[in-house]
Amino acid sequence: DAGITQSPRYKITETGRQVTLMCHQTWSHSYMFWYRQDLGHGLRLIYYSAAADITDKGEVPDGYVVSRSKTENFPLTLESATRSQTSVYFCATGGTSGSPFFGPGTRLTVL
Amino acid sequence: DAKTTQPPSMDCAEGRAANLPCNHSTISGNEYVYWYRQIHSQGPQYIIHGLKNNETNEMASLIITEDRKSSTLILPHATLRDTAVYYCIVRAERDDKIIFGKGTRLHILP
Repeated sequence: DAGITQSPRYKITETGRQVTLMCHQTWSHSYMFWYRQDLGHGLRLIYYSAAADITDKGEVPDGYVVSRSKTENFPLTLESATRSQTSVYFCATGGTSGSPFFGPGTRLTVL
Repeated sequence: DAKTTQPPSMDCAEGRAANLPCNHSTISGNEYVYWYRQIHSQGPQYIIHGLKNNETNEMASLIITEDRKSSTLILPHATLRDTAVYYCIVRAERDDKIIFGKGTRLHILP
């Protein structure tokens, strides 16, 4: 099906481990975004990408790494997970003039 | 930082119109007003956006004041399924990023 997908939907990991969250879109939208949402709080932008091989920091980039080798994929990596990174992570995509569409989210728990 | 101010919560009776205000006094000439909502634990859902004219779609209406310093999202006949957090966002059309504020938690009362 066309759209935006995130995997895994749920992840439990331990402090210090590396974990990668995947985001895939089938629309060929140029823009892709990663947000985190902590329990009871709003969304905060982590990183975004205007096109393949172009990425930029958002509001809270520390502790995260992104890459965008292909237009359709925008993985988010936590190189050494910490408990403070326990959150729900949302990926979004948008065209140059469109309104971003959000994925279903990945619920990450760091023990 | 978010460029908008919204009340933290509002109540509305089911079947009535829900009017959600948003202040964006520092909005620039090329910036649009976007509205999203987030229903419990789901990804945010796009509702509507506008520049200076009022806009209407199947979900809602957007009323922007003439000076563009504030706007109101109107849900004409609120239902229980409209219970959500509503976010008002200011963004240039070709700007890269969308920055969310705290939003308004709308409770629809039966």
